Amino acid sequence: GAVVSQHPSWVICKSGTSVKIECRSLDFQATTMFWYRQFPKQSLMLMATSNEGSKATYEQGVEKDKFLINHASLTLSTLTVTSAHPEDSSFYICSASRTGNSNQPQHFGDGTRLSIL
Amino acid sequence: AQKVTQAQTEISVVEKEDVTLDCVYETRDTTYYLFWYKQPPSGELVFLIRRNSFDEQNEISGRYSWNFQKSTSSFNFTITASQVVDSAVYFCALKPWAAGNKLTFGGGTRVLVKP
Repeated sequence: GAVVSQHPSWVICKSGTSVKIECRSLDFQATTMFWYRQFPKQSLMLMATSNEGSKATYEQGVEKDKFLINHASLTLSTLTVTSAHPEDSSFYICSASRTGNSNQPQHFGDGTRLSIL
Repeated sequence: AQKVTQAQTEISVVEKEDVTLDCVYETRDTTYYLFWYKQPPSGELVFLIRRNSFDEQNEISGRYSWNFQKSTSSFNFTITASQVVDSAVYFCALKPWAAGNKLTFGGGTRVLVKP
């Protein structure tokens, strides 16, 4: 089946640090990947759509300069939280669907718990 | 705009009881997809089912069943004979055909199955 790997699974770092999270589709190609944010006991909120070879599309209210997205290949997208602060602490989840059919179900990574001290 | 409402925030049952999770959606699109995902305590999202708007057949997969009622814009999910391993948060999601695969999630329903 479709496997999406996310790394790291857990990050604890000091305020002001930049943190990079990787999202890989292991057994399929994904032109598009998605980044979500989930606060405790809340739903998933889409942050941005990552497009291979082009700029990401950010949802309203998401700071582009704060959350840098790079999708350099058909199997890898990265999210960098720049100069992270405690309010950026959250659970970040990526997802991907197979290239060629935008109506394929999305397959999710295991998520990254980010804690900023 | 799309909207998904899961009115039940938390449901607690005893093992072997059946539990039904409600999902009501809003969309102006005539073609769309509905999904259910499971999020266990470990955090990962597990895909359970996808249903397109033209297929109103109910579906059963093991102890899981889904009831799609287009007339009431509902896509309810039932777990029969619940087990402790079913304890998780369950999310209903909607994707209109033209949405570029963007999902709109409901708020989730936390299911706690007690032994």
